[in-house]
Amino acid sequence: NAGVTQTPKFQVLKTGQSMTLQCAQDMNHEYMSWYRQDPGMGLRLIHYSVGAGITDQGEVPNGYNVSRSTTEDFPLRLLSAAPSQTSVYFCASSYVSPPYEQYFGPGTRLTVT
Amino acid sequence: DAKTTQPNSMESNEEEPVHLPCNHSTISGTDYIHWYRQLPSQGPEYVIHGLTSNVNNRMASLAIAEDRKSSTLILHRATLRDAAVYYCIPRRPTLQFYFGSGTKLNVKP
Repeated sequence: NAGVTQTPKFQVLKTGQSMTLQCAQDMNHEYMSWYRQDPGMGLRLIHYSVGAGITDQGEVPNGYNVSRSTTEDFPLRLLSAAPSQTSVYFCASSYVSPPYEQYFGPGTRLTVT
Repeated sequence: DAKTTQPNSMESNEEEPVHLPCNHSTISGTDYIHWYRQLPSQGPEYVIHGLTSNVNNRMASLAIAEDRKSSTLILHRATLRDAAVYYCIPRRPTLQFYFGSGTKLNVKP
């Protein structure tokens, strides 16, 4: 049981490049979400999904796309990277019934130059 | 969504109890109170949650005020491994979590 896995662990992009951050979970959780954490700050919700084919926006969705074709995977796409997207990205998953305990991945550290 | 107020930082001695407060005066009746912590360079991890009654688990206890406008996370015997940022999150059954800035706990040997 690997829990929530994220790849890559580190990534450096140039401004304007696109890339996909991968997230997978093996706990059969319906709910998955993406957060970003800027230095010294709390986590901010980017996008979330309550099941395959269903996604919605969080607090800071601009510049990011998501899709959910399977229960296990929830990739986050950066369309045209900007320096303001330099951050640590965390993926999380949980059941949609109480107690809603979320399991977080180890994070992807992204630097945009 | 309910706003939370937590101290920016707190300090504790190893082996002593720690009480981490959280004010959530705008909480609604259906909001669960969740606590998560984030160890250095790691993703957050679940600590405990409650609705109205005090709760205990192997990691901590959660004391919820009768009016639910505040709660306190209690670590009974702090260890060096408990040094982390602790987040208090009132959460409605909409599945969205909103993290604030949390309380950075420093544990002294």
